[in-house]
Amino acid sequence: QVQLQESGPGLVKPSETLSLTCTVSGASISSFYWSWIRQPPGKALEWIGYISDTGNTIYTPSLRSRVTISVDTSKNHFSLRLTSVTTADTAVYYCARASYYYAIWGQGILVTVSS
Amino acid sequence: QSVLTQPPSVSAAPGQKVTISCSGSSSNIENNYVSWYQQLPGTAPKLLIYENNKRPSGIPDRFSGSKSGTSATLGITGLQTGDEADYYCGAWDSSLSAWVFGGGTKLTVL
Repeated sequence: QVQLQESGPGLVKPSETLSLTCTVSGASISSFYWSWIRQPPGKALEWIGYISDTGNTIYTPSLRSRVTISVDTSKNHFSLRLTSVTTADTAVYYCARASYYYAIWGQGILVTVSS
Repeated sequence: QSVLTQPPSVSAAPGQKVTISCSGSSSNIENNYVSWYQQLPGTAPKLLIYENNKRPSGIPDRFSGSKSGTSATLGITGLQTGDEADYYCGAWDSSLSAWVFGGGTKLTVL
């Protein structure tokens, strides 16, 4: 079955760039849409954006100026890059397979923004 | 402030029924599919309902979804203590060109 696994640093300094990778197993990354979703501690889910099977991206308006989602088909993984982070970007970051719904999620990775 | 509005909390006794509402607008719920997610403490969200009222394989029929106009509802019957979790609705918003989630509802089974 399809499985997703997030990886990356758990601590990022303010003003720096957050970079995460989601490794996909059990499916070709070229065949689906893929998303990043985050959840600040004790708060609701927040959709970050998605990348399509053709490489098109859509981002949530509030993060559009700072976020990039990309795909590496050779490694069957996709990535999130969020620039100029602040403490408000501290959250559990989830990767998920995108559709009209989100049926498959990674386990999540906590990223803390702190000096 | 979430685009989709859910009650912060609901509660009911074991064996009883509960409903969780999700209120939106014509740009999201009314004209797009709604899905529902269950998030147990410390875990990733799990899909409960998709395309308004369909259950993925493995989700018991105690869980149901419905939609009318700009609102959607998740129903849970035969409540169990294991159903205690946060529940989120979600939908595509055509005006924002973004996916939106509700603020989440904490279910307590008394």
